[in-house]
Amino acid sequence: GIQVEQSPPDLILQEGANSTLRCNFSDSVNNLQWFHQNPWGQLINLFYIPSGTKQNGRLSATTVATERYSLLYISSSQTTDSGVYFCAAGRDGATNKLIFGTGTLLAVQP
Amino acid sequence: DSGVTQTPKHLITATGQRVTLRCSPRSGDLSVYWYQQSLDQGLQFLIQYYNGEERAKGNILERFSAQQFPDLHSELNLSSLELGDSALYFCASSQGLVNEQFFGPGTRLTVL
Repeated sequence: GIQVEQSPPDLILQEGANSTLRCNFSDSVNNLQWFHQNPWGQLINLFYIPSGTKQNGRLSATTVATERYSLLYISSSQTTDSGVYFCAAGRDGATNKLIFGTGTLLAVQP
Repeated sequence: DSGVTQTPKHLITATGQRVTLRCSPRSGDLSVYWYQQSLDQGLQFLIQYYNGEERAKGNILERFSAQQFPDLHSELNLSSLELGDSALYFCASSQGLVNEQFFGPGTRLTVL
């Protein structure tokens, strides 16, 4: 099945800094989602982005499907951005099950 | 708030017991998915239902079973519980078969 790899595994930022998180996937996909898991364990949808570029406030994402990677950009980071960021991919049009990467643990310090 | 609800939020039980986790999907969503998040296995897909029918199975143990009811809510049944079943169990829903999935708040299961 498809494999999803995320980098870096850990990231420590000062408030106000920018960062780029990367997600590589091993096969073509028809679903690619980015999530933020907050300290309370909730998985919050950030982007549904099987291809192209999207922006939502300080966050943006780009998926280059032909090269099998996706990037999540966080600008002007805030302490509330801390948590784990997951990329998840799906390629089976019959089921849409998501395969998750191992996540990037982000800590934003004041 | 994703619109997906899960009950209970927390569950503490003993080895060998059986529990039922409940999920209500977003209004209008026909697909329901169950995922397990544990420290050693990460986030793993367990099973999917679409409009009442089982659609796909992942790494779901034989001790676990699920169903989706006519009103589209779903239940995940975990039996003969072991210490290693302690995890955060998420339910997600999507409109159809190839759509964005939205996750509920999860049920944190602790097996003592």
